[in-house]
Amino acid sequence: SQQGEEDPQALSIQEGENATMNCSYKTSINNLQWYRQNSGRGLVHLILIRSNEREKHSGRLRVTLDTSKKSSSLLITASRAADTASYFCATDRGGGGSNYKLTFGKGTLLTVNP
Amino acid sequence: DTEVTQTPKHLVMGMTNKKSLKCEQHMGHRAMYWYKQKAKKPPELMFVYSYEKLSINESVPSRFSPECPNSSLLNLHLHALQPEDSALYLCASSQDRYFHEQYFGPGTRLTVT
Repeated sequence: SQQGEEDPQALSIQEGENATMNCSYKTSINNLQWYRQNSGRGLVHLILIRSNEREKHSGRLRVTLDTSKKSSSLLITASRAADTASYFCATDRGGGGSNYKLTFGKGTLLTVNP
Repeated sequence: DTEVTQTPKHLVMGMTNKKSLKCEQHMGHRAMYWYKQKAKKPPELMFVYSYEKLSINESVPSRFSPECPNSSLLNLHLHALQPEDSALYLCASSQDRYFHEQYFGPGTRLTVT
């Protein structure tokens, strides 16, 4: 079953604007990650935030995590045409058994227009 | 070297063919993964190998057969596939199965005719 649900499903913005994508999940998590995928290619890891963290930054990326609302957001500031891609959140539940496996959300397709 | 390589990039096969997908990493990672991704959908986990042993099989049909010959290589053997198996097959690796950042290869685009 899908753990993460991103919204919006698609987002179109102009270069230089900020882009915000959201991810909601249903069960408790250990970590939440964001990945980027350019069309038809492999995924690239962007950032990981642990369940005991609330905010994390990496370059133009800012991720927040609200475990009480079971949601996360990814903010890309000063977007560039090269940021055009699909963005997925992925969660793991930690612990034993198969809880370490990643479950991906449905993804947001971001288009940055020059 | 932080690269995961996959061959071939594209594969077209008939339903009676036998083919293999290959994945290689030289990062010393001890966990390797196969995912299947349909168009406009997220990746779906198929198999996880940890220290060259199969750790997770997500109830994948037996026409998909994984193999991990050594810590750097992962194969996916394909036999008697169906047209609905057409998808992008992604390989990934991580330091170990509890280390959560995964490195993905570029994928093999598989078409079953």
